[in-house]
Amino acid sequence: SYELTQPPSVSVSPGQMARITCSGDALPNTYAYWYQQKSDQAPVLVIYEDRKRPSGIPERFSGSNSGTVATLTIRGAQVEDEADYYCYSTGSSTNVFGTGTKVTVL
Amino acid sequence: EVHLVESGGGLVKPGGSLRLSCAASGFFSSYTMNWVRQAPGKGLEWVSSISSSGDHIYYADSLKGRFTISRDNAKNLLYLQMNSLRVEDTAMYYCTTLLSPDYWGQGTLVTVSS
Repeated sequence: SYELTQPPSVSVSPGQMARITCSGDALPNTYAYWYQQKSDQAPVLVIYEDRKRPSGIPERFSGSNSGTVATLTIRGAQVEDEADYYCYSTGSSTNVFGTGTKVTVL
Repeated sequence: EVHLVESGGGLVKPGGSLRLSCAASGFFSSYTMNWVRQAPGKGLEWVSSISSSGDHIYYADSLKGRFTISRDNAKNLLYLQMNSLRVEDTAMYYCTTLLSPDYWGQGTLVTVSS
């Protein structure tokens, strides 16, 4: 079955850059999406179609997709960015979330 | 904009069934809809999707035919029929458009326990 692998955790100091990777064999052929989920809340889409930002998402969030690795970058991380982040991708007949990355800002 | 409210969750014994509903307002009939679940303390898991017209339906391989997604565009409702429930199906279940724009409900909790 199709899988997307993320690092379990990433730590970053306020104002610094955080990078979260998402690895999957099908990524060269499909878009990557990124969701932010804060404690006890529903997820929120922060990047769609590899690199596009939905309305209302701060410019410090950006995305890229190169080969079998998609990357979410947070430039100038803020305390409020502390959350779990999940990549997501669609397949021909099934879709999948990544394993999730807990981002700690301290 | 689309507002989504799930219902139908609760406590059920292993082997039992539940039907989840998701009531939508707004341009519901324009969107492919999804069910996504999250077990306690675990990550997100995509469960199923249904196209705007209902013609195209997909499921996670792990469900092995136990779940059925459907929709009624005239009533702005999305459903998930869950049969042969297992302890590992215990999770918060969200209905969502998932892709941009993404709209999510608040979730409904399903607990499978004897």
